[in-house]
Amino acid sequence: AQSVAQPEDQVNVAEGNPLTVKCTYSVSGNPYLFWYVQYPNRGLQFLLKYITGDNLVKGSYGFEAEFNKSQTSFHLKKPSALVSDSALYFCAVRDSGFQKLVFGTGTRLLVSP
Amino acid sequence: DAGVIQSPRHEVTEMGQEVTLRCKPISGHNSLFWYRQTMMRGLELLIYFNNNVPIDDSGMPEDRFSAKMPNASFSTLKIQPSEPRDSAVYFCASSLGAPPDTQYFGPGTRLTVL
Repeated sequence: AQSVAQPEDQVNVAEGNPLTVKCTYSVSGNPYLFWYVQYPNRGLQFLLKYITGDNLVKGSYGFEAEFNKSQTSFHLKKPSALVSDSALYFCAVRDSGFQKLVFGTGTRLLVSP
Repeated sequence: DAGVIQSPRHEVTEMGQEVTLRCKPISGHNSLFWYRQTMMRGLELLIYFNNNVPIDDSGMPEDRFSAKMPNASFSTLKIQPSEPRDSAVYFCASSLGAPPDTQYFGPGTRLTVL
């Protein structure tokens, strides 16, 4: 069965510094990987996805993610964090043979001024 | 596009009452998902539909929960009778239903059962 792990409950970073939010996955087939962001009292917003091709995926709001098949990871990154990036981030995986997504437990990102 | 629409946004009810949550997916999407989010359990998939047909309801917690999708533009999630432990934020999401389908989420319904 598919699974995804977000090992950090919270990540703290200063504004202007690079940020990384970690995600590892487990699937039986080819992985489809997603990152979503949730702001307070809002629904989840799609950031980016990896299907195939280039291992570096670029998404919304300057975020990118790097797919690493050997390490089964899909870490979210941004070169320069903004205070407005503070939110809850979810990694999700979809096995190529299944339609539903499996979400991680979420990582809270706090960017300090 | 208006995105996924959910109503009501907030619902406060008393234990034992029936609660109905509503969702209108994005036009043209043929897969619909109901999720529940709580602090303790995180984001849980309750049920999903493809072409209005329930495909997987293994996440529905018990018989008090039921979901329907009478047509491509409307779905309901009903809880009868409601209990305090049902208090959560319920999200609806929709997708094109073909891989690698991105799910787009509604704003959610915050349910409080007293």
